[in-house]
Amino acid sequence: EVQLVESGGGLVQPGGSLRLSCAASGFTFSSYWMHWVRQAPGKGLVWVSRINSDGSSTSYADSVKGRFTISRDNAKNTLYLQMNSLRAEDTAVYYCAREGGRGYDILTGYTSGYYFDYWGQGTLVTVSS
Amino acid sequence: EIVLTQSPGTLSLSPGERATLSCRASQSVSSSYLAWYQQKPGQAPRLLIYGASSRATGIPDRFSGSGSGTDFTLTISRLEPEDFAVYYCQQYGSSPVTFGQGTKVEIK
Repeated sequence: EVQLVESGGGLVQPGGSLRLSCAASGFTFSSYWMHWVRQAPGKGLVWVSRINSDGSSTSYADSVKGRFTISRDNAKNTLYLQMNSLRAEDTAVYYCAREGGRGYDILTGYTSGYYFDYWGQGTLVTVSS
Repeated sequence: EIVLTQSPGTLSLSPGERATLSCRASQSVSSSYLAWYQQKPGQAPRLLIYGASSRATGIPDRFSGSGSGTDFTLTISRLEPEDFAVYYCQQYGSSPVTFGQGTKVEIK
């Protein structure tokens, strides 16, 4: 059974830092691209970041670029999100998600995007003074 | 980025009724790269549909997806008590991937 379990959330002051973790089990973690998606209280889902299977390639939403860093340890089957310079608008439940499949740009053949087949239960990050 | 607008915001129906949820994109979604998710309070989203019409593993056949271009639909043929939830569409044909704001299906 695929399981994704997030941890590391909590209350942090604006400008502070947190590191989220996502422990994976029930599948070959090192074979999958992984993602973080967040959901502000009462709001919809927003993609945050992704990392490829060996950790050599990452991408970020513009809203977190330069402040957040995604990484992974395939030996420990764990995904991370280092969040620095946190702002009130970063307050959200953060989900880790496994990539279920992707789309391709018909002109370039490059990946256009992805969907997510398994999600963790999420961890709440609250940024407030 | 592609903006997805879901309608209605809330759908009030009784068990056994048919639910039709709409997802409209601000520009054409390439190759029907559209997914649907179900989310219940306090739970993670659950993948229902990908590629606009392919059911994910273990999803009952009362859930079906259709559409192309800018207009997509999720249909639940006969609502079961466990189907009352919020439903999100998501496009993955253009970067960044984006989600709709959700449609809540509530018990009438």
